[in-house]
Amino acid sequence: RKEVEQDPGPFNVPEGATVAFNCTYSNSASQSFFWYRQDCRKEPKLLMSVYSSGNEDGRFTAQLNRASQYISLLIRDSKLSDSATYLCVVERGSGGFKTIFGAGTRLFVKA
Amino acid sequence: DAGITQSPRHKVTETGTPVTLRCHQTENHRYMYWYRQDPGHGLRLIHYSYGVKDTDKGEVSDGYSVSRSKTEDFLLTLESATSSQTSVYFCAISEGGTVYDNQPQHFGDGTRLSIL
Repeated sequence: RKEVEQDPGPFNVPEGATVAFNCTYSNSASQSFFWYRQDCRKEPKLLMSVYSSGNEDGRFTAQLNRASQYISLLIRDSKLSDSATYLCVVERGSGGFKTIFGAGTRLFVKA
Repeated sequence: DAGITQSPRHKVTETGTPVTLRCHQTENHRYMYWYRQDPGHGLRLIHYSYGVKDTDKGEVSDGYSVSRSKTEDFLLTLESATSSQTSVYFCAISEGGTVYDNQPQHFGDGTRLSIL
């Protein structure tokens, strides 16, 4: 079992829709969490950090559920420009500092 | 965007040849990383550095070596390239490295390496 797992998708949604992705992690020692987006043939770019109390940045909301060991990303009012692959990233300190990237969830937003 | 430059951006070479990729940063960040990205695997850490001349292995370090003689430069070397090392290589930097710093990594544009 992978330490960080994401549904690869693709998620196909119309413009204006709300879409949510989950990412599960297996190591309870994980401490820091992030969402990145990656456009085709481009580098990953930080979308937002995920804080314990949940956080929002415009149309994007990130949440952390430590009890069930998952993080989520909610995108409201989807735009064509939101089409990308969304990577969840988990960092843990025990057993040596380690950053683990999920394989990504592909999102297509259609007109 | 973070000041990270990777060179070369594209390279095609033959099996058995040595290859060096360079990552240059202008942010004076302490931590630098090399990743490879392959379909179905996501990003996998090759090596990372936590200071000048301080490096450590990642999960896929076999066949790769690194060096960091200056804060701004982190080199990745494939001593004898193999076809399995065909991939997209990303360099990343971060200001802090421990999980408690909650410092995200920022990526360079990537190097597409093909080994024939």
